[in-house]
Amino acid sequence: DGGITQSPKYLFRKEGQNVTLSCEQNLNHDAMYWYRQDPGQGLRLIYYSQIVNDFQKGDIAEGYSVSREKKESFPLTVTSAQKNPTAFYLCASADRDIQYFGAGTRLSVL
Amino acid sequence: QKEVEQNSGPLSVPEGAIASLNCTYSDRGSQSFFWYRQYSGKSPELIMFIYSNGDKEDGRFTAQLNKASQYVSLLIRDSQPSDSATYLCAVPGRDSSYKLIFGSGTRLLVRP
Repeated sequence: DGGITQSPKYLFRKEGQNVTLSCEQNLNHDAMYWYRQDPGQGLRLIYYSQIVNDFQKGDIAEGYSVSREKKESFPLTVTSAQKNPTAFYLCASADRDIQYFGAGTRLSVL
Repeated sequence: QKEVEQNSGPLSVPEGAIASLNCTYSDRGSQSFFWYRQYSGKSPELIMFIYSNGDKEDGRFTAQLNKASQYVSLLIRDSQPSDSATYLCAVPGRDSSYKLIFGSGTRLLVRP
């Protein structure tokens, strides 16, 4: 069953803690993306990767980090430096310029 | 001026009517345009994309592109309550076609 899998669906972060959101795709797409969505807002790009072992900062990269060691995987770490992490996080992968989204991870702060 | 602008709504239409959603963009060089539907609490789902001036139809959905006026529209014919959602418009970024710039979305309510 082809698609983009994000886990966990819900995540809670304690003060000062780093947390990692998982994103896996089996669509054989080269490009992958991380977005953040706040209530009533559009999507803002955090990081993107066009190819394995390479990634670029998006518009709001501060307080986040990523890796792209495998084509299928693009995990996002929300570090303790991100002071307002509560949001809906969306991972996408792209076939040329057409992006498809995973189901998302909702992150809250305890 | 924002790169992609949409009226936040809500746009309220009766069941069976045509819903018209509009999006304006600032980059004259944009070549591709995307419409996503997002139900409350869910992730965006691609419903239409258009590359050329004019209309593109897919079932009850029609995308209309006018590059001279820099707007793209989404028409939903025979609107159903299940069409109630937020519709996001997206265009590639100026610096890279790999990046999409999203509007903040228009919320559509279809009244039974």
